[in-house]
Amino acid sequence: AQSVAQPEDQVNVAEGNPLTVKCTYSVSGNPYLFWYVQYPNRGLQFLLKYITGDNLVKGSYGFEAEFNKSQTSFHLKKPSALVSDSALYFCAVRDDNYGQNFVFGPGTRLSVLP
Amino acid sequence: NAGVMQNPRHLVRRRGQEARLRCSPMKGHSHVYWYRQLPEEGLKFMVYLQKENIIDESGMPKERFSAEFPKEGPSILRIQQVVRGDSAAYFCASSPSRGSPTGELFFGEGSRLTVL
Repeated sequence: AQSVAQPEDQVNVAEGNPLTVKCTYSVSGNPYLFWYVQYPNRGLQFLLKYITGDNLVKGSYGFEAEFNKSQTSFHLKKPSALVSDSALYFCAVRDDNYGQNFVFGPGTRLSVLP
Repeated sequence: NAGVMQNPRHLVRRRGQEARLRCSPMKGHSHVYWYRQLPEEGLKFMVYLQKENIIDESGMPKERFSAEFPKEGPSILRIQQVVRGDSAAYFCASSPSRGSPTGELFFGEGSRLTVL
């Protein structure tokens, strides 16, 4: 079975500082990994994905994520946080052994303080 | 190019009534997913459909909930005899027909159900 963990419910960071939102996963086949962001009362917006190739993936709004196979992690990062980055972030995994189903993590609430 | 359209955005029902939530996928998409998000919680998978077929309903409660995606028209998530615990945001997502597992999902803005 596939699963996703986001060990931190909440991450606080000062504006201008680097941010990291953590994600670890468990799959039986090859993982396809995704990050989404949700602003209040909105749907989820796609940020970036890892399918294969370079372990460092760049996405929207200056975000990037690093795939680490040995640690089964896919942490989301940004070099300099903005107050407008404050939102709920979801990591998701798809396992090529399980067809089309996505599994989402519980979400991490990011607060960027001015 | 319209995105995933969900309606109604907000729905209020009294206990025992029925709720119907609609989802029109993006143009060219024939895979639809429904997720439920309880207040201050993550997304829970409910059901995955292709046109006229339910592919995976492992996340659907066994009673009162049903979903369909007819050949014509939107996908519908139906909740009969609603209870207060059904109050949540229900999100629809779509992906392209014959999509590979590497493709991302595209989400609607959600339908927020409140049961009084």
